[in-house]
Parts: sequence; structure tokens; C-alpha cells
Amino acid sequence: DVKVTQSSRYLVKRTGEKVFLECVQDMDHENMFWYRQDPGLGLRLIYFSYDVKMKEKGDIPEGYSVSREKKERFSLILESASTNQTSMYLCASSLSEPNQPQHFGDGTRLSIL
Amino acid sequence: GQSLEQPSEVTAVEGAIVQINCTYQTSGFYGLSWYQQHDGGAPTFLSYNGLDGLEETGRFSSFLSRSDSYGYLLLQELQMKDSASYFCAVPDSNYQLIWGAGTKLIIKP
Repeated sequence: DVKVTQSSRYLVKRTGEKVFLECVQDMDHENMFWYRQDPGLGLRLIYFSYDVKMKEKGDIPEGYSVSREKKERFSLILESASTNQTSMYLCASSLSEPNQPQHFGDGTRLSIL
Repeated sequence: GQSLEQPSEVTAVEGAIVQINCTYQTSGFYGLSWYQQHDGGAPTFLSYNGLDGLEETGRFSSFLSRSDSYGYLLLQELQMKDSASYFCAVPDSNYQLIWGAGTKLIIKP
């Protein structure tokens, strides 16, 4: 079974802090993704990576950055957290073919106070 | 632009059959996927249709008509545990998924 592990299930941070969300997958998947999910808005792609050290912006990259130094690990960084970044953050991984499913971690519910 | 449309909410009775529709508008087409998400949980993959027709997996089936840019998820013998949100999604030219906004399925006893 594919396992995607996110470092925290719940996280509370303060405005202006630098926040790191970590994601690790154990199936040697090329692709990794960071989404945020807000009520009524579905899943919105923040960044994705199709290889080590490669990254591409998604639909809402502003205020975020990412790092992929190793194939199994994809980190999301909130450079200076703001209250409008309070959300559920979901990490996913997949193989590169279009028929291959994305496998998700359990999510991190992040609150910025 | 690329977009998917699905109903925001569907209500059905336990034991019944329900169909969740999805229409899409994309510049290229690489298949249609369905995901299930329970409240507080992560999305989990249900099915993928790359070609026209019906794919069946147990109580769940998924249908695709590429000429109509349309697909649906069919859930039979509904159980209370099927109460969840269901998302349709299509890969774009980079094989990233474009997601519908999700359909909340409410099941009544």
C-alpha cells in the first residue's frame, strides 16, 4: 500500500511566522503535490513537483514556496504566515501516467492566529 | 479555460441508487477520475475512465462519454458509509489533475 505521511495533523501558528509542512511518500513516485482545501472551493493546487529539485506553480502559489531535495520528500513553506492561509493542506503523490491515481496524506489542518 | 461542473449536493435514501454527473471542458482529454472524501478525511481514488463506456467496481460504476464531455459515478445499494463528498477530476496536458468542486452525497435512512 502507498503511504503518504504528513508531519502534523493539526498545527497552530502565529501571523508572520515561517511555517514548514512536511510530506513523505514511500512508493518512489515521481510526482508530488500540495493542495489546500477550503469549504466550497474544492481542492486548489499550490505547487507540484515532477522530479527532485523540480517545481512548478499551481493555481495559488502566492505566499508559498516548496522544496524537494529528495524524491520521497516534498515540503511546503509559508514564508510569512497570514490568517488567510488558515486551511486544510493536503499532500499527494502519483506516478506520471494520466491514468495513475493520486494518493493523499491525511492532511494538516493549519490555523494561523 | 478548463473546468468541471458537478452538482453541489445530492440526497438519496439508503439502499437506493444515485448518479452523480460531471461535465468537463478541457483543451485536451486524458481521462476522467473519481475520488471520494469523507468529512475530515483525505480524498481516496475510486475509478478512472480513459475510454467511453462503463467501468464497474463492486457497488460503484463510472461512465464516460467523450463525445458529450460527460461522465457520471453510479452508486448502488447505498449504505450510510457512502455519505461523503465525491470529486470528478481530469488530467491536463501536464498530467496534473483539474478538480471539480465536489458533490456532497447525503444519505437518509
